[in-house]
Amino acid sequence: DTAVSQTPKYLVTQMGNDKSIKCEQNLGHDTMYWYKQDSKKFLKIMFSYNNKELIINETVPNRFSPKSPDKAHLNLHINSLELGDSAVYFCASSQDGVSTDTQYFGPGTRLTVL
Amino acid sequence: SQKIEQNSEALNIQEGKTATLTCNYTNYSPAYLQWYRQDPGRGPVFLLLIRENEKEKRKERLKVTFDTTLKQSLFHITASQPADSATYLCALARDDKIIFGKGTRLHILP
Repeated sequence: DTAVSQTPKYLVTQMGNDKSIKCEQNLGHDTMYWYKQDSKKFLKIMFSYNNKELIINETVPNRFSPKSPDKAHLNLHINSLELGDSAVYFCASSQDGVSTDTQYFGPGTRLTVL
Repeated sequence: SQKIEQNSEALNIQEGKTATLTCNYTNYSPAYLQWYRQDPGRGPVFLLLIRENEKEKRKERLKVTFDTTLKQSLFHITASQPADSATYLCALARDDKIIFGKGTRLHILP
């Protein structure tokens, strides 16, 4: 069974469109995350979220919004896509916080904005 | 600003030798340091976590050291194998913040 899964694996879209990436974890973890890995391979945290609190990276544009229908799912909505949004987006989860606990990453979604 | 540097973009090591990867950081005081492995087209996989008050941590053929005075972590793979070829990322964390290095691509040559 896949611990953290994401759909779609590839997403190609036009500038200005709105798109969503879905993430599900079956590990029973309390905390989920979204990361962006750009063309230079830097992996940057965008959001961390648990049932109680959403923590936003201040550098993330407000066009990006995470939505969590339940503890096992954290979806990422992106409005008005821009060329610079092209990257690989990873979902991850952990039982506790980002510092102290093992994070389990999904396989990634490669987003290409044309 | 906070900065992480991993010693080189790519490192070639002969099979059977020890591979040593370096992670240096500035303008940061992490409480934890983590190492991950990332294969092409896949998400990172957690390997080891070491706390600021720990000097060394081992797991099978892996060893991590953490020197908060030098602001440096060393990641060692002993008896390296071609299957160890991957990109290795270090990450510094404190509270809700985590920052990743760019990674070192390790090639183990048969």
